[in-house]
Amino acid sequence: QLQLQESGPGLVKPSETLSLTCTVSGGSISSSSYYWGWIRQPPGKGLEWIGSMYYSGSTYYNPSLKSRVTISVDTSKNQFSLKLSSVTAADTAVYYCARRRVRGVTIDYWGQGTLVTVSS
Amino acid sequence: QSALTQPASVSGSPGQSITISCIGTSSDVGSYDLVSWYQQHPGKAPKLMIYEGSKRPSGISNRFSGSKSGNTASLTISGLQAEDGADYYCCSYTSINTVVFGGGTKLTVL
Repeated sequence: QLQLQESGPGLVKPSETLSLTCTVSGGSISSSSYYWGWIRQPPGKGLEWIGSMYYSGSTYYNPSLKSRVTISVDTSKNQFSLKLSSVTAADTAVYYCARRRVRGVTIDYWGQGTLVTVSS
Repeated sequence: QSALTQPASVSGSPGQSITISCIGTSSDVGSYDLVSWYQQHPGKAPKLMIYEGSKRPSGISNRFSGSKSGNTASLTISGLQAEDGADYYCCSYTSINTVVFGGGTKLTVL
């Protein structure tokens, strides 16, 4: 059974860089059938797609976040990572890592989510 | 890119049917039969309920169905049950190779 697990600091200071890692178990991140990505949800609000990447390194980002986001993959560790720079309180959210099928927007596996709070 | 438009809330009694709409544009919902729907209970990760517009993953009840007309996708839940009470989100592929979610709909089972 595929499992995704987010890890990283739960508290980040304003203007700093948020860094999270997603560890994938029970399947290979090098599969040609999937994208790997991040989705966030501010407290009490809806879902927002952050971006996705293919194991080969191709990346796709939300235009509204593109200037601040980097998603990268480490196939040797079966992990992928999110970096979001220059954070503000508006970036406080539960961050989910997820697997998306290459065809369409079928997000079939999600991590449990991790709350990241931006505060001094 | 703008979020897809969903009603903030819908409600229904047990046994009834409800429909949640998801309005997009010709650059997303209208151009692709690729809308997916997710159910989210409080404190939990979203769960895939419908993909590619109308397909159900293994284990999802046939009480859940999806459809599309023009720029509007819809999720219908028939035979409402108490456990269906949750937030529901639609999601679409876009013409610029990105993903966009709807704002979410809170379903209350009366």
